[in-house]
Amino acid sequence: DQQVKQNSPSLSVQEGRISILNCDYTNSMFDYFLWYKKYPAEGPTFLISISSIKDKNEDGRFTVFLNKSAKHLSLHIVPSQPGDSAVYFCAASRNSGYALNFGKGTSLLVTP
Amino acid sequence: EAQVTQNPRYLITVTGKKLTVTCSQNMNHEYMSWYRQDPGLGLRQIYYSMNVEVTDKGDVPEGYKVSRKEKRNFPLILESPSPNQTSLYFCASSPPGQSTEAFFGQGTRLTVV
Repeated sequence: DQQVKQNSPSLSVQEGRISILNCDYTNSMFDYFLWYKKYPAEGPTFLISISSIKDKNEDGRFTVFLNKSAKHLSLHIVPSQPGDSAVYFCAASRNSGYALNFGKGTSLLVTP
Repeated sequence: EAQVTQNPRYLITVTGKKLTVTCSQNMNHEYMSWYRQDPGLGLRQIYYSMNVEVTDKGDVPEGYKVSRKEKRNFPLILESPSPNQTSLYFCASSPPGQSTEAFFGQGTRLTVV
């Protein structure tokens, strides 16, 4: 059963606007959340993360928000750039180990 | 340069012919794992290893084997590949400590005919 869900397979945003990618999880034991970015023919690369003790983490144009009560997190990209076009994976882990549970990914297309 | 290296990048093989996909990392990471990526299913963990000689099953281990004889290498073995193992495979390694991001290899595109 998928414990991390990304319900939007794709998203298209105009350059300069905000991209919002959403992720839901079901396991209340998850306490660390990560976003990975993947270009075609490359492996996923780490983008940004957030611990469950926080509700926001910001790194440049990227901000991740965590709503624990709703078991929901989102990635905001502002402003969006064409180079941001990629598949974004949400992942979660538990305190007890390193295993990452991934969502199915959201394909973001930023158009000029 | 810190990296995770997989070989081969592309492989076409026939059903039943044993194959090994190699994975090597130069970061002295203890934790390594294998994932497969399939359309509509995202990344699913096949096997992982907490350290040398310590391996365990992930979510989809059927049809795969792994070994961890030395820290830097974590090969994925398909003893008798089948067409449903056609997929994109990623090896990853993580530094010690909880909640740290994994470093991924560039992937191996495997086709079993």
